[in-house]
Amino acid sequence: AQKVTQAQTEISVVEKEDVTLDCVYETRDTTYYLFWYKQPPSGELVFLIRRNSFDEQNEISGRYSWNFQKSTSSFNFTITASQVVDSAVYFCALSEAGTALIFGKGTTLSVSS
Amino acid sequence: DTAVSQTPKYLVTQMGNDKSIKCEQNLGHDTMYWYKQDSKKFLKIMFSYNNKELIINETVPNRFSPKSPDKAHLNLHINSLELGDSAVYFCASSQDSNSWNTGELFFGEGSRLTVL
Repeated sequence: AQKVTQAQTEISVVEKEDVTLDCVYETRDTTYYLFWYKQPPSGELVFLIRRNSFDEQNEISGRYSWNFQKSTSSFNFTITASQVVDSAVYFCALSEAGTALIFGKGTTLSVSS
Repeated sequence: DTAVSQTPKYLVTQMGNDKSIKCEQNLGHDTMYWYKQDSKKFLKIMFSYNNKELIINETVPNRFSPKSPDKAHLNLHINSLELGDSAVYFCASSQDSNSWNTGELFFGEGSRLTVL
């Protein structure tokens, strides 16, 4: 069973639009961690955020914000006023006890000017 | 000074050959990993080592053999390369003391392997 689902394969927006990337996860553990990583066209993987299962506070970092909702097993990522430099593949990931990071299949975001 | 470095960055080889990818981290982390990213960008864990000991070994063909001479190095050797092995291989490290990722994974820049 897929543990991390990113239903949006590709999203295209125009600069300055807001965009939300969805992530739904599945786990039976009560303690787990959720992550978002960014992979720009250059190929490296860049850490964006980590959340543990006991901290449902939403987080904002500049134009980025994250909405963690245990009730719906979702950890969505919103980019406000998107820019061309935000174009990348974004991965949501889950960490459970005894496992390495399990990644979703990624969402490719294209921001055009 | 690169935190997690992999060599080579690009590798083109023929089917049937044996090749190695090296990885070194200077972060003092205890745990290192190999991930494979296929042509559809799917990232999948292959191996995880904690302090030179293998702790995660996903369903990977026996042709793939990781080797960790010390906790700062995790090399990946691949025997009898096949077309399907073409992918980008990422090395990573983390501070975690066990197999559970509670913290950030630091990734290398990836090694793109092309098998002809």
